Amino acid sequence: QITLKESGPTLVKPTQTLTLTCTFSGFSLSTSGMGVAWIRQPPGKALEWLALIFWDDDKRYSPSLKSRVTITKDTSKNQVVVTVTDMDPVDTATYYCAHRGGSGSFFDYWGQGTLVTVSS
Amino acid sequence: EIVLTQSPATLSLSPGERATLSCRASQSVSSQLAWYQQKPGQAPRLLIYDASNRATDIPARFSGSGSGTDFTLTISSLEPEDSAVYYCQQRNNWPLTFGQGTKLEIK
Repeated sequence: QITLKESGPTLVKPTQTLTLTCTFSGFSLSTSGMGVAWIRQPPGKALEWLALIFWDDDKRYSPSLKSRVTITKDTSKNQVVVTVTDMDPVDTATYYCAHRGGSGSFFDYWGQGTLVTVSS
Repeated sequence: EIVLTQSPATLSLSPGERATLSCRASQSVSSQLAWYQQKPGQAPRLLIYDASNRATDIPARFSGSGSGTDFTLTISSLEPEDSAVYYCQQRNNWPLTFGQGTKLEIK
């Protein structure tokens, strides 16, 4: 059974750096084909993909946020971490991590999400 | 970047009716398109992948079709629990992109 859970601050100030951790179980990120992504959703708005890290440490980023986002993995801890620098109120959103592996390599398992508010 | 345009923005139907949701891509995504269902306060749930394959445990009333630039999600006979926002997503090209969603209301 695959599960993922996001953790991190719920409130950050403008210009600060956000660090979120995705802790997962039920699969290994050292297995060929596996990946974990970060996706966010501002309140009442659509989903936006941020970044994806693969089992072989290949990393992909959204061009709109590439200069601000970094994704890393710790295979031994079953964790994926995303950092977003220079946070702004428009970055207020629910941040999800999601598993990419089976089902055509789409996102077949998601965490519950964590709401991050950017406010001074 | 591939833009996915979903229509209609909102759909209001009665239980038992058939729902047809559309997703149009700004360029071909082959069959590399998925549909997700999201209910309020919940994470998205994968319904359909590779345009027409139902994900695990998804009821048979959900079906997907299309290829290239035009895709359809059909719910054959609506149940009250189908009330949700539905998103399409492509993985044919980087960056991965989602549509803006279709809100399905059950009367």
